Amino acid sequence: GAGVSQSPSNKVTEKGKDVELRCDPISGHTALYWYRQRLGQGLEFLIYFQGNSAPDKSGLPSDRFSAERTGESVSTLTIQRTQQEDSAVYLCASNQGLGAFFGQGTRLTVV
Amino acid sequence: KQEVTQIPAALSVPEGENLVLNCSFTDSAIYNLQWFRQDPGKGLTSLLLIQSSQREQTSGRLNASLDKSSGRSTLYIAASQPGDSATYLCAVSPVYNQGGKLIFGQGTELSVKP
Repeated sequence: GAGVSQSPSNKVTEKGKDVELRCDPISGHTALYWYRQRLGQGLEFLIYFQGNSAPDKSGLPSDRFSAERTGESVSTLTIQRTQQEDSAVYLCASNQGLGAFFGQGTRLTVV
Repeated sequence: KQEVTQIPAALSVPEGENLVLNCSFTDSAIYNLQWFRQDPGKGLTSLLLIQSSQREQTSGRLNASLDKSSGRSTLYIAASQPGDSATYLCAVSPVYNQGGKLIFGQGTELSVKP
């Protein structure tokens, strides 16, 4: 596609439920990252995929968070047993050596 | 551990002024540096990418410079307009990842008054 696409754009969920966020990177981009941005805060790195290499999961805040990517295509970020502190905008980006391009994000609200 | 700092945190200028935003990083072993713009409630828009071998990049009224040895980058905005109001973020990629994980500064919130 023309850009990085994320879905849904907004998600409201009840505390304790699981959520799945989706990211469609730019076609041909081997690198893909997930970041989190809490209200009024900076970007917090979550996870990075590069081709078929083992992902860099060093930013995942707890074992409730996981992410998958099939080859060089779609990635999903799953948050299990959501907590109110998980409320944030989740941003995805892809890269092919010429700079990172971000999607519009998924705004997650846990009530 | 790489740390990225942006100064000032906020800046308010009258329309038409030229301005400079600053970004500093602690580890000079970077692959590239990228400047982004973020409008409220939106994602990030890439403005300029400077590879580690480059000194500057220009796009329209924007000019970004890179001094790797001193760990500094500046974003120069000429003839500022109210539409330039946004948060500006710089991010570096560590050399070992070759364009991978981006490490962001906290951003400079720019307000251009008509």
